[in-house]
Amino acid sequence: AQTVTQSQPEMSVQEAETVTLSCTYDTSESDYYLFWYKQPPSRQMILVIRQEAYKQQNATENRFSVNFQKAAKSFSLKISDSQLGDAAMYFCAYRLQGAQKLVFGQGTRLTINP
Amino acid sequence: DAGVIQSPRHEVTEMGQEVTLRCKPISGHDYLFWYRQTMMRGLELLIYFNNNVPIDDSGMPEDRFSAKMPNASFSTLKIQPSEPRDSAVYFCASSRGRGPQHFGDGTRLSIL
Repeated sequence: AQTVTQSQPEMSVQEAETVTLSCTYDTSESDYYLFWYKQPPSRQMILVIRQEAYKQQNATENRFSVNFQKAAKSFSLKISDSQLGDAAMYFCAYRLQGAQKLVFGQGTRLTINP
Repeated sequence: DAGVIQSPRHEVTEMGQEVTLRCKPISGHDYLFWYRQTMMRGLELLIYFNNNVPIDDSGMPEDRFSAKMPNASFSTLKIQPSEPRDSAVYFCASSRGRGPQHFGDGTRLSIL
């Protein structure tokens, strides 16, 4: 069974600095998708970024980028120029291509210090 | 565009009562998902539908839980009878084909 591990329960960073959140996953499949979701205190789950496993190029969305290392089964999220609004729980998720089920990590709580 | 709409946002009820959670997916989306979020178990998929048909309900914890999707724009998750251990945040999500899942704001359920 696929599993997703986020080894950092909590992280904090100074406003305007860069922070990297870690995620590793376990799968024997070669075609899959990876996602980062953000859950602010308002509770809404917001899609931040996604990566197709067949793409070697790392996905980027404005200040958010990923470091996808397929062989290492690693999928970290880098947030540049951190802003107070980035404070939230961040969840890494995996989905096998052709399937619909999302498997989530336990989450990392990110605090932004002003 | 309207996102996934869930109601109620909060629900507090006594043990043994029937609870019904509601979800309106994004128009045009053909997949609908119900998730449960707890501190102990994180986010878990309970059931999902494709074109209103339940595809995988292996995550439904017990027979006390049931879900229906009578049409493309409405789904319910029902718990009867409810128990304190059912207290959690329940999310509905929808997607178009194999696209990313978009989540609603969730329903925080408290069973006393």
